[in-house]
Amino acid sequence: DIQMTQSPSSLSASVGERVTITCRASQSITSYLNWYQQKPGKAPKLLIYSASSLQSGVPSRFSGSGSGTDFTLTISSLQPEDFATYYCQQSFGTTETFGQGTRVEI
Amino acid sequence: EVQLVQSGAEVKKPGESLKISCEGSEYSFTNYWIGWVRQMPGKGLEWMGIIHPGDSDTRYSPSFQGQVTISADKSIRTAYLQWSSLKASDTAMYYCARRDSEAFDYWGQGTLVTVSS
Repeated sequence: DIQMTQSPSSLSASVGERVTITCRASQSITSYLNWYQQKPGKAPKLLIYSASSLQSGVPSRFSGSGSGTDFTLTISSLQPEDFATYYCQQSFGTTETFGQGTRVEI
Repeated sequence: EVQLVQSGAEVKKPGESLKISCEGSEYSFTNYWIGWVRQMPGKGLEWMGIIHPGDSDTRYSPSFQGQVTISADKSIRTAYLQWSSLKASDTAMYYCARRDSEAFDYWGQGTLVTVSS
């Protein structure tokens, strides 16, 4: 199994701040990296696929970068509705794995 | 609009069997993989496995291989996740999701499974 490690596990930020979450794979996954947002009691929502492609309908303040083993999700200006938990997921292997999540709090 | 509608919440006893479902609509059901994801109370997302309804090709995470069975009936556009003998540790929310070329782009609303004596 390819292991995915996110950091930090949680962070506190204010509205308007720039937020960066990192995700590291245990081996190269080229660009097969996706990011999801989950709010309490709701199903996850796809934000970014293929490391840097913005899913349709997702605000442009979200962006992704990276390749190989190191990836980043950036929220350029945090909005009240962005307080949630964020997960990375690798889709490179025959079986796929999620990171452990990063909780973004006020 | 693409929709995945999951079956309702279940309360079961340890040792009982269970099959939950996920019905897809408004897209070509046999052209997209359907995956299952577990979320235990207060915990993160776990990728369980995935099935291609067109040919029933199925892949399991090593953590879930032998513990659950994933299947699909393309005639009724429905994927399934089943257990033959539930444990208390199977208590969780289970999500199905459609896999586009690389990611899960549409998700079901989730099915809460509670296993308690």
